[in-house]
Amino acid sequence: EIVLTQSPGTLSLSPGERATLSCRASQSVGGNYLAWYQQKPGQAPRLLIFGASRRATGIPDRFSGSGSGTDFTLTIYNLEPEDFAVYYCQQYGSSPPFFTFGPGTTVDIK
Amino acid sequence: QITLKESGPTLVKPTQTLTLTCTFSGFSLSASGVGVGWIRQPPGKALEWLALIYWDDDKRYSPSLKSRVTITKDTSKNQVVLTMTNMDPEDTATYHCAHAKYQVLWSFDPWGQGTLVTVSS
Repeated sequence: EIVLTQSPGTLSLSPGERATLSCRASQSVGGNYLAWYQQKPGQAPRLLIFGASRRATGIPDRFSGSGSGTDFTLTIYNLEPEDFAVYYCQQYGSSPPFFTFGPGTTVDIK
Repeated sequence: QITLKESGPTLVKPTQTLTLTCTFSGFSLSASGVGVGWIRQPPGKALEWLALIYWDDDKRYSPSLKSRVTITKDTSKNQVVLTMTNMDPEDTATYHCAHAKYQVLWSFDPWGQGTLVTVSS
C-alpha cells in the first residue's frame, strides 16, 4: 500500500519568493501517476499538475512539477498573493488502495 | 464546460445509511476513459478518496471503506450515487465528487463544490 508523505507541513513565505514542496511515496509511483492540487479555504481542490510534471489546463507556468519514482516536487516560482493555500499530492495505482492523497502542505504568508 | 454538483442530506444519525448523488454535465460517463470519483474531507483535515466508477461500470473502492461504500451510475440521468452504511460521527466531512479521465492520468478535474454531511444524534 502506497503512503504519501508531504513536507514541510507548513511553509511561510513572502510574495515573490519561491516555494518548494515535497511529496514522497513509500513505494515507486508507476507511470508517474502523480498529481498536485491547490485548495483554498471554503473551495474545492483544483488540479495543478498531473503526470508529475504536466500542467493542467489554465494553470500558470509559475507552477512546475518534477520528480519520478518515489520523490516528487512542486515548485511555485514568484509567489502571488492568490497562491497561499494548501497543496495536496495524489497518486493513482492499478492495485489497492488505487488513489492516495498526501496530508497536505500549507503555504502561508510570512 | 464540465460541472458536478453533490446533493443529499446534511445531517444523518449514527448507524444510518448515507446516500449522496453527484449530478454532472459537460461529459458522458459512457465515453471511454472517463470516471467519476468521490473524495471526502473532514473539517480541517486532509482529503480521503472513497470510490471511483469507470465508464465501463468497473468500480474501485478504498480498502478501508470497501465494506461500507457502494458506487453506482445512471448514465441516462448523468448521475453517480454513493451510499455509505453504518454512519459514524467520524464520517462527518465535506463529500466531493470529481471527474477523472485517462488523458490526465486519472487525476481529478474538476471537482464539485462539495456537500457537508454531519453525523450526529
